[in-house]
Amino acid sequence: GQSLEQPSEVTAVEGAIVQINCTYQTSGFYGLSWYQQHDGGAPTFLSYNALDGLEETGRFSSFLSRSDSYGYLLLQELQMKDSASYFCAVRVDTGGFKTIFGAGTRLFVKA
Amino acid sequence: ETGVTQTPRHLVMGMTNKKSLKCEQHLGHNAMYWYKQSAKKPLELMFVYSLEERVENNSVPSRFSPECPNSSHLFLHLHTLQPEDSALYLCASSQGRGGKNIQYFGAGTRLSVL
Repeated sequence: GQSLEQPSEVTAVEGAIVQINCTYQTSGFYGLSWYQQHDGGAPTFLSYNALDGLEETGRFSSFLSRSDSYGYLLLQELQMKDSASYFCAVRVDTGGFKTIFGAGTRLFVKA
Repeated sequence: ETGVTQTPRHLVMGMTNKKSLKCEQHLGHNAMYWYKQSAKKPLELMFVYSLEERVENNSVPSRFSPECPNSSHLFLHLHTLQPEDSALYLCASSQGRGGKNIQYFGAGTRLSVL
């Protein structure tokens, strides 16, 4: 079957750097996405990796290693507003495209 | 504002009621999705519509009935629900269904079934 694992909760201090990991077991892997969801809000797209390496978008970066079936989201210079849930999502092509979401990591940013 | 609007934001219904959830997207997308989000569980894909045609139905009980009258609107009709159906129901849209497939989500309808 297809599965993703990410930590359920992470706590970090304002101004720090935090890394949220995602490991996956899938067939037909195509790419890895990250979404952010604030309480009561809509999940919003953050980043997408199809190739190995690091993609940087401002304070957020996302990394993928296809050989290790592993990726992470790196948040730098943490701000209180970064407190939210972060979902990794694997894009697979098994004769048709599907997106499979992880259960999400709840990030708590403390002052 | 994501360009995807869901109404109502909150809904409480009894097990014998019939209600409908509405989703509207203003992005010109041609694919729309219904997801169920329960606490600490992955998003569960329920239905996918592409060009107003249902292309995916993931073993969802018949008490959930989707409708897509046009590419901008998506409904989820609910009847004789069970308490375990209480969850956040999210609608999403995307331009096409292939490749990268960035999905734009609404804020969801928080459903409580009593």
